[in-house]
Amino acid sequence: SSELTQDPAVSVALGQTVTITCQGDSLRTFFANWYQQKPGQAPILVIYGENNRPSGVPDRFSGSRSGNTVSLTITGTQAEDEADYYCYCRDRSGNHGVFGGGTKLTVL
Amino acid sequence: QVQLVQSGAEVKKPGASVKVSCKASGYTFTYYAIHWVRQAPGQRLEWMGWINIVNGNTKYSQKFQDRVTITRDTSATTAYMELNSLRSEDTAVYYCARLWLDDAFDVWGQGTMVTVSS
Repeated sequence: SSELTQDPAVSVALGQTVTITCQGDSLRTFFANWYQQKPGQAPILVIYGENNRPSGVPDRFSGSRSGNTVSLTITGTQAEDEADYYCYCRDRSGNHGVFGGGTKLTVL
Repeated sequence: QVQLVQSGAEVKKPGASVKVSCKASGYTFTYYAIHWVRQAPGQRLEWMGWINIVNGNTKYSQKFQDRVTITRDTSATTAYMELNSLRSEDTAVYYCARLWLDDAFDVWGQGTMVTVSS
């Protein structure tokens, strides 16, 4: 199965913009999705199909892709955005799923 | 409302098996596949496998291929994940999730804590 690589930790000042990236070969072929997870809670979908937001997700969350890298951008980061963020995609075979290692976002 | 409700926490001894249930409500069960994901304490999310609710076809992560079985009961609108030959490293929260658009999981169960300890 393919791997998805994320930076383990990122920090951002309150109100500023932060970008979290995810790199992997299968991202060239299959959709990427982003999940937010807070301690003790189940993950929540924040971006699907690389750049679509489910209803209820604030419009400060956006996604993009360039080659084998997808990005999650939070514009005007709020304190409540502090969480772990995981990318997800199929592996190169298309038959299995794979999560990135997760990025811990700290809001300063 | 659309929801997935999982069975309660389990404590198992090494070598035993565990079967976690995931009951769906608020939508047509056969319209969406169910995936299973686990998370060991302090660790990343880990994809385990999925089931096509219509025909029961399954795909499993190579890591769990020999030990996991995912099934469903359409009359009960419930999916199940059974993991055999448990070891301490299987201590984790196990989640079921509904597959929605573009390979995204839009609804998750609340998680089931499985503890493996002698």
